[in-house]
Amino acid sequence: EVQLMESGGGLVQPGGSLRLSCVASGFTFNTYSMNWVRQSPEKGLEWLSYISDNSDSIYYADSVKGRFIISRDNAKNSLFLQMNSLRADDTAVYYCAVRYSLDFWGQGTLVTVSS
Amino acid sequence: IVMTQAPLSLSVTPGQPASISCKSSQSLLHSNGKTSLYWYLQRPGQSPQLVIYEVSSRFSGVSDRFSGNGSGTDFTLKISRVAAEDVGVYYCMSQFTFGPGTRVDV
Repeated sequence: EVQLMESGGGLVQPGGSLRLSCVASGFTFNTYSMNWVRQSPEKGLEWLSYISDNSDSIYYADSVKGRFIISRDNAKNSLFLQMNSLRADDTAVYYCAVRYSLDFWGQGTLVTVSS
Repeated sequence: IVMTQAPLSLSVTPGQPASISCKSSQSLLHSNGKTSLYWYLQRPGQSPQLVIYEVSSRFSGVSDRFSGNGSGTDFTLKISRVAAEDVGVYYCMSQFTFGPGTRVDV
């Protein structure tokens, strides 16, 4: 059974940083691309970033380019999202999801950016 | 690319069919002949889950009551006989852009 478990969310002040993690199990992690997607009431579902299986290809949405960094550690079946210069409109539930087609999603972790 | 959906809300009697439209601002037909159009269902309190991929293929474990069709810029998700477990918000997605969602109530 595919399982994705996000962690690292919480309350952070504007301008601050957070690092999200996603631990995967139930599939061969190092053969699948991964994504981060977020959801907020204001913006709905918003894709943020994609990383290929071997990290050779990385893409970002314009809204986070230059502020967020996606990475992975295949030895630890883990995906990461380093979020810097956080703004109030980054407040959302953040999901990791498998493959370009977003086949499977984690349960999400809530990030709240507020002073 | 902009994805739109209609209706945004739908109330259906159990056992009756339902249909959701998704339109894209540009053709989704790729030069490789594939069309990357996906449908997701987000049940209340849950994460989204893939229902249909590449316009018309049901994802593993998805009921055959679900079907998808369309081409170019116009696509449709159909539920042949709506059941209680089909309640939630349905999203179409292409090129990492999501539609606004259609809320389905029973």
